[in-house]
Amino acid sequence: AQTIHQWPVAEIKAVGSPLSLGCTIKGKSSPNLYWYWQATGGTLQQLFYSITVGQVESVVQLNLSASRPKDDQFILSTEKLLLSHSGFYLCAWVPEEQYFGPGTRLTVL
Amino acid sequence: GDQVEQSPSALSLHEGTGSALRCNFTTTMRAVQWFRKNSRGSLINLFYLASGTKENGRLKSAFDSKERYSTLHIRDAQLEDSGTYFCAAERGSGYNKLTFGKGTVLLVSP
Repeated sequence: AQTIHQWPVAEIKAVGSPLSLGCTIKGKSSPNLYWYWQATGGTLQQLFYSITVGQVESVVQLNLSASRPKDDQFILSTEKLLLSHSGFYLCAWVPEEQYFGPGTRLTVL
Repeated sequence: GDQVEQSPSALSLHEGTGSALRCNFTTTMRAVQWFRKNSRGSLINLFYLASGTKENGRLKSAFDSKERYSTLHIRDAQLEDSGTYFCAAERGSGYNKLTFGKGTVLLVSP
């Protein structure tokens, strides 16, 4: 069975500091992967999607970037965090319907 | 942009009763998913429908693409059904872009 892992579980970071969030899926080759973000009290928004290594498409620009360095890895990052980056980040695997990872809660202070 | 209007925003039920959540779409959607938020904030899949109805235990969902709506029926509600439920619809153009409803907070009381 496929399992989706995200790391870290939670982060507290300072404004202006860099960020790297990871997502990996085990048990599936060449998965379609998505990054989502939800501000506190807000609606889930798709940020990026990737269907293969080295390929990433942006859905919503939030001063974030994403990369797909390995088949089973999807990374979300920024060099300088903003206060508005706080929220809950979810990675999803999409064979057809979407399956979500456990999420990372980010607090930017 | 595409809109998904989910109602009600909050729902209170007594144990053993039932009700329905509804999502209306402003445009034709290819498929709909229903999720429940877990204790950590992630989403658990309940249903994925491209058409028709599906049933799982005390939950039943329907999707009518032509009439632009989907429903999630809960019957014989139990205390553990309390939580936040979301619908999300997929338009089907290009990648699988999901547009989420704002959620329904369900509270089941004794």
